[in-house]
Amino acid sequence: DQQVKQNSPSLSVQEGRISILNCDYTNSMFDYFLWYKKYPAEGPTFLISISSIKDKNEDGRFTVFLNKSAKHLSLHIVPSQPGDSAVYFCAANSNRDDKIIFGKGTRLHILP
Amino acid sequence: ETGVTQSPTHLIKTRGQQVTLRCSSQSGHNTVSWYQQALGQGPQFIFQYYREEENGRGNFPPRFSGLQFPNYSSELNVNALELDDSALYLCASSLGVGALNTEAFFGQGTRLTVV
Repeated sequence: DQQVKQNSPSLSVQEGRISILNCDYTNSMFDYFLWYKKYPAEGPTFLISISSIKDKNEDGRFTVFLNKSAKHLSLHIVPSQPGDSAVYFCAANSNRDDKIIFGKGTRLHILP
Repeated sequence: ETGVTQSPTHLIKTRGQQVTLRCSSQSGHNTVSWYQQALGQGPQFIFQYYREEENGRGNFPPRFSGLQFPNYSSELNVNALELDDSALYLCASSLGVGALNTEAFFGQGTRLTVV
């Protein structure tokens, strides 16, 4: 039972263009949604989060959009840079239960 | 530099053996969570410790156990290792529980191979 789903295992985007990573979830009780970035041989690094009571959160080049009715969120990176090449994990968290539920990840390749 | 360190970085064990993985939390963080990341999967929650007490557990058998020490460092112990236990084990520390857990800082992980 996968509560957080990232259906695209990989994505390739031209440098300078917008990268859009998608995520779907099934549990309407989640309170927070998070994005983590992971380079090889390193642990995941927190990137940006959004509370379930908001529909948008922006931090520099990164914006997360939440559509609660569709149980869908997306991470937009603009403009995409070579250092953005990594695996991106969508995750969710509930105030009632402290575990973070992760998706399987999407590998983003930024092309020169 | 997150300040969360894990040891060892790599480990090879034989099926049936026991293993202990260690995690040193980021300074000031009192909550530690352990995750298992199998190849091609996202991290899966094993359990969490808050102020030395277990504070939630995922769908893992009792042979996965843990400890948190007064300095908030932590251990993950796995008994009777199975081949499927081969994975990257991640430790994450955070300040507090609940809403404050949204920014967990991960270590680099321990790559465990069971042969």
